Amino acid sequence: TQLLEQSPQFLSIQEGENLTVYCNSSSVFSSLQWYRQEPGEGPVLLVTVVTGGEVKKLKRLTFQFGDARKDSSLHITAAQPGDTGLYLCAGVPGTYKYIFGTGTRLKVLA
Amino acid sequence: DADVTQTPRNRITKTGKRIMLECSQTKGHDRMYWYRQDPGLGLQLIYYSFDVKDINKGEISDGYSVSRQAQAKFSLSLESAIPNQTALYFCATSDSNPSRYNEQFFGPGTRLTVL
Repeated sequence: TQLLEQSPQFLSIQEGENLTVYCNSSSVFSSLQWYRQEPGEGPVLLVTVVTGGEVKKLKRLTFQFGDARKDSSLHITAAQPGDTGLYLCAGVPGTYKYIFGTGTRLKVLA
Repeated sequence: DADVTQTPRNRITKTGKRIMLECSQTKGHDRMYWYRQDPGLGLQLIYYSFDVKDINKGEISDGYSVSRQAQAKFSLSLESAIPNQTALYFCATSDSNPSRYNEQFFGPGTRLTVL
């Protein structure tokens, strides 16, 4: 069974702080995605990384795919209350199946 | 209007009852999925379908069945609900176009409680 472990599971920080969320697996993925989910809604895709070592930036969010394509990280600079939510990584081992991580619940306090 | 809709949004039922959750999409996607979300477990795949005649089991299909009535509709049934099926259920779609098939679009979810 392919597993994606996310850490930390919970994170509560003050507005303006930086944070990093990790997504780790022993399996290789053809691509990896990050989603954000807000209460009462389904997950929404933030980014897809495809190439080992790839770095993508989305405003204050920086996503990195590990060189071996087994892990990824999400770094948020100067977090804001609007960043509050559940962050999910999802590995794509092939062309149709998605393996979701356990999730990181982030709360940013004003 | 939402691209992926789910009905009902909330449902409370009793053990042993048959329940159907429905999903409709206007995105024109071929691929549809049903997931279950439990706290601390992320999303687990129940069933997926690549077109109207294609049904595939996911990681946790026991106790569930699905029907793909049309390209736009994919329903999930619990034949005899049990309390450990209490969870948040999501429908998702994705495009079969190789350049875009990796992005999934999720519905708002159905919160199911089995007493």
